Amino acid sequence: KNEVEQSPQNLTAQEGEFITINCSYSVGISALHWLQQHPGGGIVSLFMLSSGKKKHGRLIATINIQEKHSSLHITASHPRDSAVYICAAPGRGGADGLTFGKGTHLIIQP
Amino acid sequence: NAGVMQNPRHLVRRRGQEARLRCSPMKGHSHVYWYRQLPEEGLKFMVYLQKENIIDESGMPKERFSAEFPKEGPSILRIQQVVRGDSAAYFCASSPPTGGNEQYFGPGTRLTVT
Repeated sequence: KNEVEQSPQNLTAQEGEFITINCSYSVGISALHWLQQHPGGGIVSLFMLSSGKKKHGRLIATINIQEKHSSLHITASHPRDSAVYICAAPGRGGADGLTFGKGTHLIIQP
Repeated sequence: NAGVMQNPRHLVRRRGQEARLRCSPMKGHSHVYWYRQLPEEGLKFMVYLQKENIIDESGMPKERFSAEFPKEGPSILRIQQVVRGDSAAYFCASSPPTGGNEQYFGPGTRLTVT
């Protein structure tokens, strides 16, 4: 079973700061997911990546398969980025149900 | 192309009643996953289904919970004789038949047991 660890658990930053959230997992995987959950509860899939780096707007996700580690970065953070960010990996390394990290509660203050 | 649909969005049940949660996957998707998020806890995998088959139900509680994904119609997560501890947000996700594990999440159903 894959174990997924995220850090930090809570993060408060000022608007404009560069944000990094880290995720490590225990079992080799085909792809890692980054998700965003807003206070209303809905979940948005931000990235699924299996190697290298992906960028979408101010969000960047990187993954190092050998080290079983991924990071999510937010550049020029904004209060609307305030949300819970969750990384998730396939439970047994393949195409089955995801195992989730506990999430990072991010608050961006104006 | 509509996203993953779940209904109802909010469901209130008294203890002992049955809860039925529906999930319509994205068009063309044949894989459905159900996840549960208990209050103040992280998301947990419950069950993975393909059309007419349960592939992995290792995360399902042993009693009162069942899931199906019939040939026609939505996937159903059924909880019999609900208890207060079943109060949670239930999310489904779907993925295409090509596999690759790219999952698209629905908005969730918030179940409250009174």
